This record gives sequence, structure tokens and C-alpha cells, in this order.
Amino acid sequence: KAGVTQTPRYLIKTRGQQVTLSCSPISGHRSVSWYQQTPGQGLQFLFEYFSETQRNKGNFPGRFSGRQFSNSRSEMNVSTLELGDSALYLCASSYTGGSGNTIYFGEGSWLTVV
Amino acid sequence: EDQVTQSPEALRLQEGESSSLNCSYTVSGLRGLFWYRQDPGKGPEFLFTLYSAGEEKEKERLKATLTKKESFLHITAPKPEDSATYLCAVQAWWAAGNKLTFGGGTRVLVKP
Repeated sequence: KAGVTQTPRYLIKTRGQQVTLSCSPISGHRSVSWYQQTPGQGLQFLFEYFSETQRNKGNFPGRFSGRQFSNSRSEMNVSTLELGDSALYLCASSYTGGSGNTIYFGEGSWLTVV
Repeated sequence: EDQVTQSPEALRLQEGESSSLNCSYTVSGLRGLFWYRQDPGKGPEFLFTLYSAGEEKEKERLKATLTKKESFLHITAPKPEDSATYLCAVQAWWAAGNKLTFGGGTRVLVKP
């Protein structure tokens, strides 16, 4: 069974540009969450989508946005990139959102902003 | 606000030297406490979910336990391949869906 797939794995962007990251959840999983991981702040929750609706949102500026498609695949977008946005962006999927649901992570997308 | 604190930040062990990692949490209604292992450059790998105080789960050399205020991850007779960062996270009842609040992690290095 394929795991959570994230693309691209590595990318370098210039300050001020925008970036789109993609996540394909495990087959059958309808919940997709996004996290930012940095050495200083650790893993921080960005947002979660379930059945194409944003169900939860973390404390990040509006430059960070996401969406989910009818096949549960998700994308996140960061506009007007800042140097501090350099991080590992992780996607996680699970079947639903109730108790007893294991949450699986992908390998992440490494974003470097120069 | 949910908070998770892991200690120690780093742990150096000799192969075979058992030890425990601590995860202290503050949450308004615990729905689940998760343990993950993360290798450098990779995403977190799921280990365990604990739901209620007194619960224990084991997998190979790892055993996780849960009380009302903290969780422990015991590593018994570790091997070099157990070297990784171990992450603890909580899921709260007040937060709909799958939001996890993570601790800072414990970096474990097991020397042969």
C-alpha cells in the first residue's frame, strides 16, 4: 500500500515568489493535514482539510493557504515568500478525524528561500 | 493552549543501555497521545497511539506508557539502528479533526 506522497521533495525559491506543494494521501484517506518543521520552532500545524473543506487552521499568516480536491489530494501554497519560510513542509493523512485513526506522514518537501 | 514538553533534548546511549524518554503534556481533554520516530531528512514514522491513562503499547525494543500528565517511551537494550529523533504529540478533543501539537523531540544516539 503506497504511503503519503509529497512533491516536489526539494525546491529553491527566491524571496517574494510563491510556491505550491502537493500531497497525495494514502488511498482511502480523506483527511489531509499540513505541518511546517524548522529547527527553531519544531513541528507546527498549518491546516487540515477533510472532504474538500478546511476543518482546522493553525496560527500562520494568510500567505499560507491550501485546498483539497475531490480525490483527497491536497495542495498548499505560500505566497510572497520570506526567508523565514525555509523549512520542511510535511503532509499527513488519516482515514477520518475520529479517535482511533492513525495519522501517517509523508517524507516532506524541503523548501529553501534565498 | 495545548502544550507538550519532551525531555531530555538529547540522549547518548551505549548499545544495550536501556533508558526512558519523557513527554509531559497539558491539554484540555486528551483524545490521543502519539509517538513518532524521525530519521534525518525524512518524515515522522508512526510508532504508537495511547488513549487513556494506564495504557501501554510495545513494539520490538520500544514500550510506551501513559499517565494523566505524561508519557514515557522506554527503549530496552537499544541498538545503533534505534538512533533517531523521537517525537511526542497530543490530539485534543476540543480541536476537531486531526490537529496534533508536537513537543520538541528527543534526539537519541546509540553508540555500538
